[in-house]
Parts: sequence; structure tokens; C-alpha cells
Amino acid sequence: AQSVAQPEDQVNVAEGNPLTVKCTYSVSGNPYLFWYVQYPNRGLQFLLKYITGDNLVKGSYGFEAEFNKSQTSFHLKKPSALVSDSALYFCAVRFTGTASKLTFGTGTRLQVTL
Amino acid sequence: NAGVMQNPRHLVRRRGQEARLRCSPMKGHSHVYWYRQLPEEGLKFMVYLQKENIIDESGMPKERFSAEFPKEGPSILRIQQVVRGDSAAYFCASSPTGQGYEQFFGPGTRLTVL
Repeated sequence: AQSVAQPEDQVNVAEGNPLTVKCTYSVSGNPYLFWYVQYPNRGLQFLLKYITGDNLVKGSYGFEAEFNKSQTSFHLKKPSALVSDSALYFCAVRFTGTASKLTFGTGTRLQVTL
Repeated sequence: NAGVMQNPRHLVRRRGQEARLRCSPMKGHSHVYWYRQLPEEGLKFMVYLQKENIIDESGMPKERFSAEFPKEGPSILRIQQVVRGDSAAYFCASSPTGQGYEQFFGPGTRLTVL
């Protein structure tokens, strides 16, 4: 079955340290991969996507993600975290043959502290 | 260019009443998606529409829920005879096409069923 997983409910990191939010997927074919961020009582904001090409994708607010086909992962990273990065992060996958709908992970809450 | 608009932002209904949620996509976008987010969960796909057509409704409950995207006007998600389990945040997203583009999300409608 096609699925997407975010294995960590919460990630804690000190401001200035690098952060990683993990995402793995299970699928056949070549999926499209996305990261979104959600602030309290707000909609989702697009951060970045991988469709094809370079495995390292750069997005908004200094975030980047690395597509790893052999490990079926698409981890979100940032070299230096900010307190304002604290939010809920969702990985989403568009599986081939699913007419554009996105399948979301359960979300990872990022807490950045001083 | 205004983003995706949703109204109302908050909607309170008593059990058995009808709920109508509206979504105006971004200008130039002809693809609309509805997702539901239950408390502390990720987003679940409900339905994908283009103007006057339902493309994929695989996530819609079989009863009481319907969606439309008419030639003129906003997309409507209609829930008849609401029950407490319908309480959730309903998000609309739009994209210019269905192929590889990220979806842009509205702020959501938070439905509370008393």
C-alpha cells in the first residue's frame, strides 16, 4: 500500500543548531514530494517540492530537503534553526495514478528553544 | 494576487443541521481540492474538482457529504445532517493544473458541531 510516514511526533532543537524533520514513503513509481508548514490556527504554507532532477531541493525560509530514492526518504533540513521556525510540519506525497491528490504524513511538531 | 479564500472561518452547527463551506481558488487556478483535518491529525484528502467536474471523490464519505465547483462562483463543500464527528478543520487548496504543481491552501473553516 502507498503511504507516507513521519516517525517523530516532535523534534526539539536549540536555536542556531541544525534541524532535521524526517519523512519516508512507501510507493511504487516516482512520486512527487512536498513539505508544508502549519502555524497555529492557520492553513498550510508550501515550503518546497521534489518532482525530478537534483536530489537536493531548496525552498522557502532557508529550508531544504534531500530526496533519497534508495531509502525512500525526503527529510527536511535547515542549517540553523530559529525560534520562529517552531510550527507543525507536514510531508506530503502525490503518488502516481492518484489524480493529483496529496497524501499527508501525520505531522511533526518542531520546537525551537533559545 | 489574493490567496485561496475560505468562508466562513468558523462555523457552529447543531446536530442535524446543514453546513456549507465555501472556497474561492487563487486567480487563474482551475483545480480545487478539499481536505479535512481532525484534531491532532494530518490532513485527509476528500475530493478533487475542476470546473463543473468531480475528478476524484475517493475520500468523501458516502453519505451526507457533497461538493461542487460550478462554472461561476466558489467551490462548495456541503455536509447535510451534521454529527459531532464532523467537527474538524476543512481546508481547501487550489492549483493551476494538476500536474506537479504545489497546492496552495486556504486558511480553513473550523466546523464545530454541538
